[in-house]
Amino acid sequence: SQQGEEDPQALSIQEGENATMNCSYKTSINNLQWYRQNSGRGLVHLILIRSNEREKHSGRLRVTLDTSKKSSSLLITASRAADTASYFCATAHNQAGTALIFGKGTTLSVSS
Amino acid sequence: GAGVSQSPRYKVAKRGQDVALRCDPISGHVSLFWYQQALGQGPEFLTYFQNEAQLDKSGLPSDRFFAERPEGSVSTLKIQRTQQEDSAVYLCASSLAYSLQETQYFGPGTRLLVL
Repeated sequence: SQQGEEDPQALSIQEGENATMNCSYKTSINNLQWYRQNSGRGLVHLILIRSNEREKHSGRLRVTLDTSKKSSSLLITASRAADTASYFCATAHNQAGTALIFGKGTTLSVSS
Repeated sequence: GAGVSQSPRYKVAKRGQDVALRCDPISGHVSLFWYQQALGQGPEFLTYFQNEAQLDKSGLPSDRFFAERPEGSVSTLKIQRTQQEDSAVYLCASSLAYSLQETQYFGPGTRLLVL
Protein backbone atom coordinates (compact mmCIF):
# COMPACT_ATOMS: atom_id res chain seq x y z
CA SER A 1 0.00 0.00 0.00
CA GLN A 2 1.12 3.56 -0.56
CA GLN A 3 1.60 6.00 2.22
CA GLY A 4 1.57 9.39 0.68
CA GLU A 5 -0.87 11.33 -1.38
CA GLU A 6 0.37 14.04 -3.67
CA ASP A 7 -1.78 16.94 -4.61
CA PRO A 8 -2.53 17.91 -7.30
CA GLN A 9 -2.35 14.78 -9.44
CA ALA A 10 -1.50 16.92 -12.47
CA LEU A 11 -0.28 20.47 -12.90
CA SER A 12 0.22 22.49 -16.08
CA ILE A 13 2.07 25.80 -16.03
CA GLN A 14 4.00 28.17 -18.28
CA GLU A 15 7.77 28.53 -18.22
CA GLY A 16 8.85 31.01 -15.60
CA GLU A 17 5.94 30.32 -13.28
CA ASN A 18 6.31 28.62 -9.92
CA ALA A 19 5.00 25.11 -9.32
CA THR A 20 3.84 23.89 -5.93
CA MET A 21 3.16 20.26 -5.10
CA ASN A 22 1.90 18.92 -1.82
CA CYS A 23 2.31 15.58 -0.11
CA SER A 24 0.48 14.15 2.86
CA TYR A 25 1.39 11.04 4.79
CA LYS A 26 -0.13 8.96 7.54
CA THR A 27 2.39 7.81 10.12
CA SER A 28 5.41 9.34 11.83
CA ILE A 29 8.54 9.60 9.75
CA ASN A 30 12.31 9.75 10.05
CA ASN A 31 12.61 11.83 6.89
CA LEU A 32 10.77 12.75 3.71
CA GLN A 33 12.33 12.80 0.27
CA TRP A 34 11.28 14.15 -3.10
CA TYR A 35 12.12 12.39 -6.35
CA ARG A 36 11.66 13.31 -9.99
CA GLN A 37 10.91 10.81 -12.75
CA ASN A 38 11.11 11.70 -16.41
CA SER A 39 8.97 9.70 -18.80
CA GLY A 40 10.25 6.15 -19.11
CA ARG A 41 13.25 6.71 -16.89
CA GLY A 42 14.35 6.01 -13.34
CA LEU A 43 13.84 8.17 -10.31
CA VAL A 44 16.24 10.98 -9.49
CA HIS A 45 16.66 12.07 -5.88
CA LEU A 46 16.01 15.80 -5.43
CA ILE A 47 16.07 16.60 -1.74
CA LEU A 48 15.75 15.04 1.72
CA ILE A 49 14.26 16.79 4.72
CA ARG A 50 14.58 15.32 8.19
CA SER A 51 11.69 15.16 10.62
CA ASN A 52 13.26 17.85 12.82
CA GLU A 53 13.67 20.28 9.91
CA ARG A 54 10.98 22.66 8.70
CA GLU A 55 12.39 24.02 5.47
CA LYS A 56 15.17 23.19 3.07
CA HIS A 57 16.45 24.75 -0.15
CA SER A 58 18.37 23.35 -3.09
CA GLY A 59 18.80 25.61 -6.11
CA ARG A 60 15.32 26.40 -7.43
CA LEU A 61 13.73 23.88 -5.07
CA ARG A 62 12.21 24.69 -1.71
CA VAL A 63 10.76 21.98 0.51
CA THR A 64 8.76 22.49 3.67
CA LEU A 65 7.72 19.93 6.23
CA ASP A 66 4.94 20.21 8.80
CA THR A 67 5.02 17.11 10.99
CA SER A 68 1.99 18.25 12.99
CA LYS A 69 -0.07 18.17 9.81
CA LYS A 70 1.87 15.26 8.32
CA SER A 71 2.41 17.19 5.14
CA SER A 72 5.16 18.54 2.92
CA SER A 73 5.33 20.83 -0.07
CA LEU A 74 7.76 21.12 -2.94
CA LEU A 75 8.10 24.49 -4.65
CA ILE A 76 9.92 24.80 -7.96
CA THR A 77 10.60 28.44 -8.77
CA ALA A 78 11.03 29.90 -12.25
CA SER A 79 10.09 26.62 -13.90
CA ARG A 80 11.62 25.45 -17.17
CA ALA A 81 10.38 23.06 -19.83
CA ALA A 82 13.02 20.61 -18.60
CA ASP A 83 11.19 20.42 -15.26
CA THR A 84 8.40 18.51 -16.99
CA ALA A 85 8.26 15.20 -15.14
CA SER A 86 6.45 13.30 -12.42
CA TYR A 87 7.34 14.22 -8.87
CA PHE A 88 7.04 11.79 -5.97
CA CYS A 89 7.36 12.22 -2.27
CA ALA A 90 8.72 9.28 -0.33
CA THR A 91 8.80 8.75 3.38
CA ALA A 92 11.24 6.80 5.49
CA HIS A 93 10.01 5.36 8.77
CA ASN A 94 11.96 4.03 11.70
CA GLN A 95 9.41 1.31 12.20
CA ALA A 96 9.18 0.23 8.60
CA GLY A 97 12.78 -0.70 8.03
CA THR A 98 14.70 0.85 5.21
CA ALA A 99 12.11 0.87 2.46
CA LEU A 100 10.88 4.17 1.12
CA ILE A 101 7.12 4.51 0.86
CA PHE A 102 6.12 6.51 -2.18
CA GLY A 103 3.04 8.50 -3.01
CA LYS A 104 1.27 8.33 -6.36
CA GLY A 105 3.01 11.40 -7.72
CA THR A 106 2.21 14.72 -9.34
CA THR A 107 2.65 15.05 -13.08
CA LEU A 108 4.05 18.47 -13.92
CA SER A 109 3.90 19.86 -17.43
CA VAL A 110 5.79 23.07 -18.19
CA SER A 111 5.14 24.62 -21.57
CA SER A 112 7.33 27.18 -23.26
CA GLY B 1 30.88 7.29 -12.76
CA ALA B 2 28.47 4.50 -13.54
CA GLY B 3 25.09 4.58 -11.94
CA VAL B 4 22.72 1.71 -11.29
CA SER B 5 22.10 -0.31 -14.40
CA GLN B 6 19.34 -2.77 -15.14
CA SER B 7 18.78 -5.29 -17.88
CA PRO B 8 16.88 -5.95 -19.93
CA ARG B 9 15.24 -2.55 -20.29
CA TYR B 10 12.16 -4.12 -21.83
CA LYS B 11 10.82 -7.63 -21.55
CA VAL B 12 7.74 -9.15 -23.13
CA ALA B 13 6.74 -12.50 -21.69
CA LYS B 14 3.91 -14.88 -22.37
CA ARG B 15 1.76 -15.71 -19.40
CA GLY B 16 3.27 -18.63 -17.55
CA GLN B 17 6.81 -17.89 -18.63
CA ASP B 18 9.63 -17.34 -16.13
CA VAL B 19 11.62 -14.10 -16.29
CA ALA B 20 14.85 -12.89 -14.68
CA LEU B 21 15.64 -9.22 -14.21
CA ARG B 22 19.15 -8.07 -13.44
CA CYS B 23 20.42 -5.15 -11.40
CA ASP B 24 23.99 -3.87 -11.23
CA PRO B 25 24.22 -1.47 -8.30
CA ILE B 26 26.76 1.28 -7.88
CA SER B 27 30.10 -0.27 -6.94
CA GLY B 28 30.59 -0.43 -3.19
CA HIS B 29 26.96 0.15 -2.31
CA VAL B 30 25.93 -2.07 0.53
CA SER B 31 22.16 -1.75 0.30
CA LEU B 32 20.06 -2.83 -2.66
CA PHE B 33 16.32 -2.46 -3.09
CA TRP B 34 13.75 -3.70 -5.59
CA TYR B 35 10.54 -1.77 -6.23
CA GLN B 36 7.57 -2.42 -8.49
CA GLN B 37 5.89 0.50 -10.24
CA ALA B 38 2.52 -0.01 -11.85
CA LEU B 39 1.36 2.38 -14.53
CA GLY B 40 0.37 5.74 -13.08
CA GLN B 41 1.45 4.78 -9.57
CA GLY B 42 4.43 5.39 -7.34
CA PRO B 43 6.98 2.64 -6.75
CA GLU B 44 6.13 0.00 -4.17
CA PHE B 45 8.78 -1.80 -2.13
CA LEU B 46 9.46 -5.44 -2.90
CA THR B 47 12.63 -6.49 -1.12
CA TYR B 48 15.88 -5.27 0.44
CA PHE B 49 19.42 -6.65 0.65
CA GLN B 50 22.29 -5.62 2.85
CA ASN B 51 25.30 -7.11 1.09
CA GLU B 52 24.24 -10.67 0.28
CA ALA B 53 21.68 -10.93 3.06
CA GLN B 54 18.04 -10.47 2.17
CA LEU B 55 16.83 -8.64 5.24
CA ASP B 56 13.33 -7.76 4.17
CA LYS B 57 11.14 -9.45 1.59
CA SER B 58 7.83 -8.34 2.99
CA GLY B 59 6.83 -6.59 -0.22
CA LEU B 60 7.11 -9.58 -2.54
CA PRO B 61 3.52 -10.13 -3.74
CA SER B 62 3.63 -13.91 -3.97
CA ASP B 63 5.92 -16.91 -3.76
CA ARG B 64 6.37 -16.64 -7.52
CA PHE B 65 8.73 -13.73 -6.84
CA PHE B 66 12.26 -14.52 -5.75
CA ALA B 67 15.31 -12.29 -5.43
CA GLU B 68 18.95 -13.03 -4.77
CA ARG B 69 22.25 -11.23 -4.42
CA PRO B 70 24.70 -14.09 -3.89
CA GLU B 71 27.97 -12.12 -3.87
CA GLY B 72 26.67 -8.90 -2.45
CA SER B 73 26.81 -6.97 -5.71
CA VAL B 74 24.64 -7.93 -8.71
CA SER B 75 21.08 -8.88 -7.89
CA THR B 76 18.49 -10.84 -9.84
CA LEU B 77 14.74 -10.66 -9.42
CA LYS B 78 13.04 -13.76 -10.77
CA ILE B 79 9.36 -14.08 -11.44
CA GLN B 80 8.04 -17.57 -12.06
CA ARG B 81 4.91 -18.40 -14.03
CA THR B 82 4.28 -14.76 -14.89
CA GLN B 83 0.75 -13.40 -14.77
CA GLN B 84 -0.73 -10.37 -16.48
CA GLU B 85 -0.88 -8.50 -13.18
CA ASP B 86 2.92 -8.74 -12.99
CA SER B 87 3.14 -6.22 -15.84
CA ALA B 88 4.93 -3.19 -14.38
CA VAL B 89 8.25 -1.40 -14.28
CA TYR B 90 10.70 -3.04 -11.89
CA LEU B 91 13.11 -0.57 -10.36
CA CYS B 92 16.33 -1.34 -8.58
CA ALA B 93 18.01 1.11 -6.22
CA SER B 94 21.21 1.05 -4.23
CA SER B 95 22.59 3.09 -1.38
CA LEU B 96 26.01 3.36 0.19
CA ALA B 97 25.13 2.07 3.62
CA TYR B 98 22.29 1.06 5.85
CA SER B 99 20.72 4.27 7.06
CA LEU B 100 17.36 5.90 6.72
CA GLN B 101 19.21 9.08 5.76
CA GLU B 102 21.01 7.54 2.82
CA THR B 103 20.02 8.57 -0.67
CA GLN B 104 18.79 5.70 -2.81
CA TYR B 105 20.04 5.81 -6.40
CA PHE B 106 17.66 4.29 -8.88
CA GLY B 107 18.28 2.47 -12.11
CA PRO B 108 16.22 3.09 -15.27
CA GLY B 109 14.01 0.10 -14.60
CA THR B 110 12.90 -2.95 -16.54
CA ARG B 111 9.51 -2.61 -18.17
CA LEU B 112 7.81 -6.02 -18.08
CA LEU B 113 4.78 -6.74 -20.19
CA VAL B 114 3.05 -10.07 -19.70
CA LEU B 115 0.70 -11.07 -22.52
